[in-house]
Amino acid sequence: DAMVIQNPRYQVTQFGKPVTLSCSQTLNHNVMYWYQQKSSQAPKLLFHYYDKDFNNEADTPDNFQSRRPNTSFCFLDIRSPGLGDAAMYLCATGQGQETQYFGPGTRLLVL
Amino acid sequence: GNSVTQMEGPVTLSEEAFLTINCTYTATGYPSLFWYVQYPGEGLQLLLKATKADDKGSNKGFEATYRKETTSFHLEKGSVQVSDSAVYFCALSDGQGGSEKLVFGKGTKLTVNP
Repeated sequence: DAMVIQNPRYQVTQFGKPVTLSCSQTLNHNVMYWYQQKSSQAPKLLFHYYDKDFNNEADTPDNFQSRRPNTSFCFLDIRSPGLGDAAMYLCATGQGQETQYFGPGTRLLVL
Repeated sequence: GNSVTQMEGPVTLSEEAFLTINCTYTATGYPSLFWYVQYPGEGLQLLLKATKADDKGSNKGFEATYRKETTSFHLEKGSVQVSDSAVYFCALSDGQGGSEKLVFGKGTKLTVNP
């Protein structure tokens, strides 16, 4: 009965090679969030979708993009991963201003 | 802007010891406050929350009270277990335009030894 699913759990990519991380939800929440969490740090919000409206954080690099083709799915695209982009990427969902529910995360390694 | 300051870790306790992890916040308005827990290699799980002053959130023996006068939301547990070993994040909501944006503290790593 998983509610927020992230695939894959571990992703290895090469420097500069585009990579896509996936998130899906069974909660039918209208908001989906992507966070980046580097080792021993707090999660940092990259952007979120409120329904189809995309909301980017001011300090999110252009290298990071997102797509939400429908309510259930949201993707994080990293166009040209650098070594500094190695991190845990967390997807979360919420309904308006209700509590956020997090997925298990995808750990990205850049070689 | 809004911010959360959390007690620096790591914290190491023996089983059945009393736990306090301090959390204070700075915010305009009246945010909701949260404690999330992250077990090794996993995502964040909501532990408890409080949405207004003097509310007490509780779950699995953990408690925290929303104190507006001291802008605090300290996490407590009377008797910790080895299975409580994890990283604990205090957070506040920064709701704008109908969505909830969370601002996290830096996290406190708790290790409980048998």
